[in-house]
Amino acid sequence: LAKTTQPISMDSYEGQEVNITCSHNNIATNDYITWYQQFPSQGPRFIIQGYKTKVTNEVASLFIPADRKSSTLSLPRVSLSDTAVYYCLVGTMIKAAGNKLTFGGGTRVLVKP
Amino acid sequence: KAGVTQTPRYLIKTRGQQVTLSCSPISGHRSVSWYQQTPGQGLQFLFEYFSETQRNKGNFPGRFSGRQFSNSRSEMNVSTLELGDSALYLCASSPRDSYWGEQYFGPGTRLTVT
Repeated sequence: LAKTTQPISMDSYEGQEVNITCSHNNIATNDYITWYQQFPSQGPRFIIQGYKTKVTNEVASLFIPADRKSSTLSLPRVSLSDTAVYYCLVGTMIKAAGNKLTFGGGTRVLVKP
Repeated sequence: KAGVTQTPRYLIKTRGQQVTLSCSPISGHRSVSWYQQTPGQGLQFLFEYFSETQRNKGNFPGRFSGRQFSNSRSEMNVSTLELGDSALYLCASSPRDSYWGEQYFGPGTRLTVT
């Protein structure tokens, strides 16, 4: 399983773009990168998933360089409601025995008015 | 569609007792996973069930067990509760049987062991 490293916390202001970088130096060929968001006292919510280059949806963008040793989650124009913990997960997509999703420590993002 | 539901939402138990938590996945989802979340250890994978069979298991002692029923509903049981079992227990269901794609989490059951 690829180990991930992400900042413990980040502060931002409403309307700004927030970029959270996750390092995963030993990512394997078959590994995907997935990001989840978690609000206090709630279960995590899937944000985005990608394998290489750039993925964008209505919520965020995920940038993955060619070497795939890191990835950046970009949240455009954040609001107070984006204050949450963001988790970067790296692993194989296949639900075979022994494969499980591993959540790291996450990045606590605080959006200020 | 209704989301993942977990019951009960809150539970207080005494050390040494056992507890059973329930999870109803989103209709049509057949894969159900369980996680434990604590301030110290973060989110840790407990196990995953598919077609009434445990397919994956995390690094937890045998006191933690689970099962899945034919309607995909799942239960997890913790026997001989310890203070350290106090945590938020999260259940997640997945629309994809064979791939760790998007998972949908329930609100969790907060277990307090005194």
